[in-house]
Order: sequence, then structure tokens, then C-alpha cells
Amino acid sequence: QKEVEQNSGPLSVPEGAIASLNCTYSDRGSQSFFWYRQYSGKSPELIMFIYSNGDKEDGRFTAQLNKASQYVSLLIRDSQPSDSATYLCAVSRTGFQKLVFGTGTRLLVSP
Amino acid sequence: GAGVSQTPSNKVTEKGKYVELRCDPISGHTALYWYRQSLGQGPEFLIYFQGTGAADDSGLPNDRFFAVRPEGSVSTLKIQRTERGDSAVYLCASSSGSEGGYTFGSGTRLTVV
Repeated sequence: QKEVEQNSGPLSVPEGAIASLNCTYSDRGSQSFFWYRQYSGKSPELIMFIYSNGDKEDGRFTAQLNKASQYVSLLIRDSQPSDSATYLCAVSRTGFQKLVFGTGTRLLVSP
Repeated sequence: GAGVSQTPSNKVTEKGKYVELRCDPISGHTALYWYRQSLGQGPEFLIYFQGTGAADDSGLPNDRFFAVRPEGSVSTLKIQRTERGDSAVYLCASSSGSEGGYTFGSGTRLTVV
């Protein structure tokens, strides 16, 4: 079992729809959870982090965490073609030590 | 600097050669990280520095890989006797050490031929 699992996709959604990206993790000691966006040929860019169970919203993005189910998700509302990228889920036992990344989910938003 | 700077952006080397990859973190950031990313994979942790010392080097794959950060700022990742399997994008990141994730540089694409 991989430490962080993501569906590789691609996940295809039409412009304006909600994109839902999911991630599960195996280490119950994980305390910090991150979503990074990576455009092709570029380095990962931090979108959001979440530490507590529940939802955290930032603009069009909502991160959801359920530690009991070891599940993290990212919702993107009003998806835009510019959101087309690979979304990487990462977890850590603390917020500033090593991150364990999933393989990423490729999102395609069609105009 | 404004962001994490990595040089060179691309490096092609022959199998068996020695390479050095450089990372210049965001000014004032005490924590520095090295990852490598192969095609279709997420970044894989290599080593983490807090100040000058390696706080966690558990991700270094073998003793051909070594990293230093002598003055607590710039770091160099050194790879000896390179192998074709070392080909990847090597990413550096830095943070202030507080919670909230960290910022990656643009990476060095290493190709071993």
C-alpha cells in the first residue's frame, strides 16, 4: 500500500463545474495535509494546507479533511481551463518536516 | 532573493560522472529541502536541513548522494558515479520553519546518458 494514494486521472470536467480531487493516506500519525498544483514542466505550487478535521475554504478552493477515514479532498468550484494541471496531495507528521506526496491527479477543464 | 533559485536548470552528464546541483533558498528561510521527481511521480523526499545541519537524510537513496549547507543558506546536492536511474528533476524548497508548507524552486533536470 502506498503511503499516499491518488487516482491518476485524468479527471475531466467542463468549465464552471466543481472538480473533486481525492486522496487517502496510510500513516495515522499524519498531522498536516497539503495540496499542490503542478503545471506541466513546472514545479509544484502550494494551494492549500489543512490540519484540522472539517473544511477549509480559500477562494474557489475548499480542502476537506477526515482523519478517522484518513481521507483528504480538494474541491475546486467554478473550474477554469487554467485550473488544468496535476494536483498533488502531500502529508506530513509535522508541518515543516518531510512531505510524502501522492502521484497526483491530472485535472482537465474543458471550455 | 524573491524565490528559491536552483542552478543549473538543466544538466546532462555521462554515466559515472560527478555532478553538483545548487539551491539558493528564500532569504531568511532556515529550513531547506531536497526532493527528486521522476516522470509521472510525485516528488520524493531526499533530505531536510534546519540551519547548517541535516535534520533528516533518510531519503537519500545510497551513499553516492550527499548534500551540504555549510553556512545555513545555499545548499549543494552532490551525486557521485551517476547512473541512468538518477535521471530526474531535482527540486529544492525552503521554509521559515513555521507551519504552512514550503516553496519549491524551479528544479534542475538531470539527465544521465
